[in-house]
Amino acid sequence: GAVVSQHPSRVICKSGTSVKIECRSLDFQATTMFWYRQFPKQSLMLMATSNEGSKATYEQGVEKDKFLINHASLTLSTLTVTSAHPEDSSFYICSARDPWTGGREQFFGPGTRLTVL
Amino acid sequence: DQQVKQNSPSLSVQEGRISILNCDYTNSMFDYFLWYKKYPAEGPTFLISISSIKDKNEDGRFTVFLNKSAKHLSLHIVPSQPGDSAVYFCAASGLGNNNDMRFGAGTRLTVKP
Repeated sequence: GAVVSQHPSRVICKSGTSVKIECRSLDFQATTMFWYRQFPKQSLMLMATSNEGSKATYEQGVEKDKFLINHASLTLSTLTVTSAHPEDSSFYICSARDPWTGGREQFFGPGTRLTVL
Repeated sequence: DQQVKQNSPSLSVQEGRISILNCDYTNSMFDYFLWYKKYPAEGPTFLISISSIKDKNEDGRFTVFLNKSAKHLSLHIVPSQPGDSAVYFCAASGLGNNNDMRFGAGTRLTVKP
């Protein structure tokens, strides 16, 4: 399957700082990428859909000013958690779909563990 | 509003036996269903999928069954192996939903040697 990478894999930051997470499709171009978060022992919750060259579409209840998404190229989407607080600590995962295969599977990155002190 | 439900948080089976993981959905707009396997601190790995025009899809030891009238799908793993131990997520998507995927809460499968 297609390969999606995320960086960093783990980040610890102080409350009030901003953290940027990168999601890259390594062997395909993704016009659409998705951002999820997962709390311990819970499901993956879709946060937003990132569209290359346009604004992201946020799910209800997700603050777009807090979770800034930029999809500047066909292989890179970034999620910036602004003014992070301890309640933002979570596992963030991105995914992408390879449009050329015609499949509807999403391929996931390895995730980023964010801990806000 | 949880549109995809996995009511069993955990399942334990003996090696060599069949594992059956269940999933229910409520949104009739879903037309594509997927199963993912996830290890701790890793992203989900795609396992198998099924379109709503089918009722069964098989790939090696993994078979997914879809019952549209009951809005129910299941994943069968046979024979189960210890390496299958992981959390399994059911997911559903629909063209009417912009192809977004909605996930169930996951079922932790433990296969005992």
